[in-house]
Amino acid sequence: DTAVSQTPKYLVTQMGNDKSIKCEQNLGHDTMYWYKQDSKKFLKIMFSYNNKELIINETVPNRFSPKSPDKAHLNLHINSLELGDSAVYFCASSQQDRVSSYEQYFGPGTRLTVT
Amino acid sequence: AQSVTQPDIHITVSEGASLELRCNYSYGATPYLFWYVQSPGQGLQLLLKYFSGDTLVQGIKGFEAEFKRSQSSFNLRKPSVHWSDAAEYFCAVGAWGGGNKLTFGTGTQLKVEL
Repeated sequence: DTAVSQTPKYLVTQMGNDKSIKCEQNLGHDTMYWYKQDSKKFLKIMFSYNNKELIINETVPNRFSPKSPDKAHLNLHINSLELGDSAVYFCASSQQDRVSSYEQYFGPGTRLTVT
Repeated sequence: AQSVTQPDIHITVSEGASLELRCNYSYGATPYLFWYVQSPGQGLQLLLKYFSGDTLVQGIKGFEAEFKRSQSSFNLRKPSVHWSDAAEYFCAVGAWGGGNKLTFGTGTQLKVEL
């Protein structure tokens, strides 16, 4: 009965590779997000999608591409991985209305290590 | 643009002692304010929120926070800390429009001594 799930939980890969992280939510929410948490625990939003439409696209290298096949899924694809991409990536979801959009439910995170 | 400052990176308290975690925000209008908690190896969980009205808000796990406009603060409090409260605590401010983005502070790590 996991609300927001991410796979994989850990991802170790070499520089230059391409990888994907998958996220699924079973809460019936309209909006999904990707956040990046760096080694100092600083959490910054990367993208958000509402009903498969891109809403937030922060200053993120275009090597990062989110894909939302339906409103329950938001995947993150990363091309040509760099050392600086090492971080924990969190998926989150929420309703879209003015109040509920900030009540975000987070997945357990994917720890990406680029060597 | 909005921003959040959490001046304490680490705080250690004894179990049963009271707790206050500080949060200051910067935002041009009335802010939406939040506290989230992150247990080790877990995602973030919403503790409490302030949108308007009563400036003292109650949350889950016995936490409360007080919005003070004059001080641009939204400090988190708990009268008696339990060992299970050890975690990372994030204050966040939300701005309506532009995707309803949450801006997080850098977090405060709470350690609880038994």
